[in-house]
Amino acid sequence: DAKTTQPPSMDCAEGRAANLPCNHSTISGNEYVYWYRQIHSQGPQYIIHGLKNNETNEMASLIITEDRKSSTLILPHATLRDTAVYYCIVSLGPYGNKLVFGAGTILRVKS
Amino acid sequence: EPEVTQTPSHQVTQMGQEVILRCVPISNHLYFYWYRQILGQKVEFLVSFYNNEISEKSEIFDDQFSVERPDGSNFTLKIRSTKLEDSAMYFCASSPLAAITDTQYFGPGTRLTVL
Repeated sequence: DAKTTQPPSMDCAEGRAANLPCNHSTISGNEYVYWYRQIHSQGPQYIIHGLKNNETNEMASLIITEDRKSSTLILPHATLRDTAVYYCIVSLGPYGNKLVFGAGTILRVKS
Repeated sequence: EPEVTQTPSHQVTQMGQEVILRCVPISNHLYFYWYRQILGQKVEFLVSFYNNEISEKSEIFDDQFSVERPDGSNFTLKIRSTKLEDSAMYFCASSPLAAITDTQYFGPGTRLTVL
């Protein structure tokens, strides 16, 4: 079963930052936090991942709390194309470990 | 940018028939996966494959399922005798097996409809 808790849905205004929370209170020391998204029925798309430190790439930023029990994915300037289901996944990461998807958060970006 | 490709995009079959779903992983990747998503439900892990062997499989991946890497580029999922409940989107994924950045990249999926 998924080890994460996410709100079922969120709305965000176009051009504004979208902040998607995730709770992973049972995360262990060697587990990574991954974020993927799924637009309509397409294949899940990797966004970002992290272990302890905050991370940023061209798509998003990932803020992980110091105790690692929760994290926030930030899309700095949401567009209509960011409307998707966002999955927060805790995984051992390297060496082929499976991803366990939960229900995710449906993010609706509105104009 | 390299990507995972899958064929066909949609497969319709009769119950009891065999189907083979095909995937071409990203060329320098070493780990391969199949996931499925029944309409309206979560994405579920089926199997992972490395060095020509199954690394891990889920309870869903029973004797009706098999995977193969028949050549250096393709990765296939075979369902021997399809059931109605096998109707789903099937996603192939691959990862490079790098220690830090072993991210899984997914293909666009094959929609399997069993009648």
